[in-house]
Amino acid sequence: DTGVSQDPRHKITKRGQNVTFRCDPISEHNRLYWYRQTLGQGPEFLTYFQNEAQLEKSRLLSDRFSAERPKGSFSTLEIQRTEQGDSAMYLCASSSAAGISGANVLTFGAGSRLTVL
Amino acid sequence: DQQVKQNSPSLSVQEGRISILNCDYTNSMFDYFLWYKKYPAEGPTFLISISSIKDKNEDGRFTVFLNKSAKHLSLHIVPSQPGDSAVYFCAASGDDMRFGAGTRLTVKP
Repeated sequence: DTGVSQDPRHKITKRGQNVTFRCDPISEHNRLYWYRQTLGQGPEFLTYFQNEAQLEKSRLLSDRFSAERPKGSFSTLEIQRTEQGDSAMYLCASSSAAGISGANVLTFGAGSRLTVL
Repeated sequence: DQQVKQNSPSLSVQEGRISILNCDYTNSMFDYFLWYKKYPAEGPTFLISISSIKDKNEDGRFTVFLNKSAKHLSLHIVPSQPGDSAVYFCAASGDDMRFGAGTRLTVKP
């Protein structure tokens, strides 16, 4: 297993266009998370899935954002009608229910950087 | 809602000395606290965690201390090495995971 994979690594788009990011988690992980990170800030929680069920959505996730995890494996994050304020690094992470230590340790991908012109 | 705060954006220490990174939180319902390290162009990687029922956890050069009454935790790195230079994020785990803004640690040779 090569860890959490995200694609594309970098996307440049014009304002108003739609973009989609894909995340392939570690295969045995049942939880999948999406975070957004802007310069000088920590990762901001967007949403998470347990298997195919989307269990929580942040109020940061406006109606232009939609995330899916159709078969409980890979996930997609779509942003419709992109705005310049959407420019950020979009991070995906996965985890199993709880590790040996009991902590829910997230394994992150390298991220997908979005630039909206 | 900033439930996890790291008030020092940067820290510089000399190689061999102790690095202390601080974190404050507001929600008493968090059950675990974690530290992640991030290098440029990579995602954050897990470093060490502590349960909310403990006050100390040690792993090699890294020790995390938790003061529940003050809603404060800290990460101690002893001795600090140049390879420790990175951005360190404090995170708090409940139903999901919330991160602080990060502290950039620079360890000078």
